[in-house]
Amino acid sequence: EAQVTQNPRYLITVTGKKLTVTCSQNMNHEYMSWYRQDPGLGLRQIYYSMNVEVTDKGDVPEGYKVSRKEKRNFPLILESPSPNQTSLYFCASSFNGPVETQYFGPGTRLLVL
Amino acid sequence: KNQVEQSPQSLIILEGKNCTLQCNYTVSPFSNLRWYKQDTGRGPVSLTIMTFSENTKSNGRYTATLDADTKQSSLHITASQLSDSASYICVVTPAYGNKLVFGAGTILRVKS
Repeated sequence: EAQVTQNPRYLITVTGKKLTVTCSQNMNHEYMSWYRQDPGLGLRQIYYSMNVEVTDKGDVPEGYKVSRKEKRNFPLILESPSPNQTSLYFCASSFNGPVETQYFGPGTRLLVL
Repeated sequence: KNQVEQSPQSLIILEGKNCTLQCNYTVSPFSNLRWYKQDTGRGPVSLTIMTFSENTKSNGRYTATLDADTKQSSLHITASQLSDSASYICVVTPAYGNKLVFGAGTILRVKS
């Protein structure tokens, strides 16, 4: 089944403790992206990747890192999480860039205490 | 600045009734406009996509319209069902660059 998977789905952590949220897609998509979703603000892009080893900042990249060493994986790294990073995170992918339909993962709900 | 504004923020309707959601955008030029449906606790799923030259696109009981002159789009839902309860998000793809522009969404609740 074609899908985007994220792990973990739920995470509670404390301020400053490094964490990684994994994202994987099995559709051979070149474009992958991370979003955060907060009430009243909608989806905001954190980082995106046009292809392997090519990443770029979205609208809200502060406090986040990403890497794209393989085509299928696009992990999101929070080196020192803070409470303002408490949010719902979505990974998405599309075949050849944002002009095409993006397929979203199920989401990761993060709470930073 | 590229923006997408959706209205209303939330809406409650009775099962079987029709409703229309609005999307106004300032993105210009743009490649396409999409409507996504997001069920509670799940990722968004694409409903319709329209290029700048299309006026309407249907997907079952969902019909999207686009007026590129006034920079407005609407999503009409016919004979609503309880399963239509969700957030509906309007997304515009600029013609240049790699960043999508998202609306904040309209939360629809269908009551029996």
